[in-house]
Amino acid sequence: DTGVSQNPRHKITKRGQNVTFRCDPISEHNRLYWYRQTLGQGPEFLTYFQNEAQLEKSRLLSDRFSAERPKGSFSTLEIQRTEQGDSAMYLCASSRLNQPQHFGDGTRLSIL
Amino acid sequence: AQKVTQAQTEISVVEKEDVTLDCVYETRDTTYYLFWYKQPPSGELVFLIRRNSFDEQNEISGRYSWNFQKSTSSFNFTITASQVVDSAVYFCGSGGGADGLTFGKGTHLIIQP
Repeated sequence: DTGVSQNPRHKITKRGQNVTFRCDPISEHNRLYWYRQTLGQGPEFLTYFQNEAQLEKSRLLSDRFSAERPKGSFSTLEIQRTEQGDSAMYLCASSRLNQPQHFGDGTRLSIL
Repeated sequence: AQKVTQAQTEISVVEKEDVTLDCVYETRDTTYYLFWYKQPPSGELVFLIRRNSFDEQNEISGRYSWNFQKSTSSFNFTITASQVVDSAVYFCGSGGGADGLTFGKGTHLIIQP
């Protein structure tokens, strides 16, 4: 396994801009998860996919956030009209059914 | 709903000391998983262990050991003969299997040489 890959590693943008992050899971992992981690806190669950189906969304996922996994492989997380409070580390994880989740290195979002 | 409490925000010990990180959880699920992850200064979350709620057997892996007690809703983690490389933030958490994981706020462990 090559591990979960996230791009970019760091994104700096101005408030109000749209940003998109990409996650490539470990191959053959059909479950993919997105989390957000702010300084001094544990990761907070945002949403998860089983194959291409988005099965659960946290109340943290406002209508400015959208996630896709169109072919059941890689996933994208888009944030529209970014706000200061969106500054965080965005983590992606993947797993097989009933197996532990393995995390990528994350994308750090900084809103100017 | 799940809730995980890691009451120790920061622990500092001298190398070679033993250290225990506490974790208390709340859940209404009858079947659930408990887990620990390590987040070193480089930032990546490293999986350490996951236990099923049916399996209360304690586990030892090298210098690491875990004590799961359903009666006290605790899943504590002990590092024996700590080393500087153990310095990291350690997260305890719970999950229902396919669901997203619920993490505690983490314990920052500092091992001084």
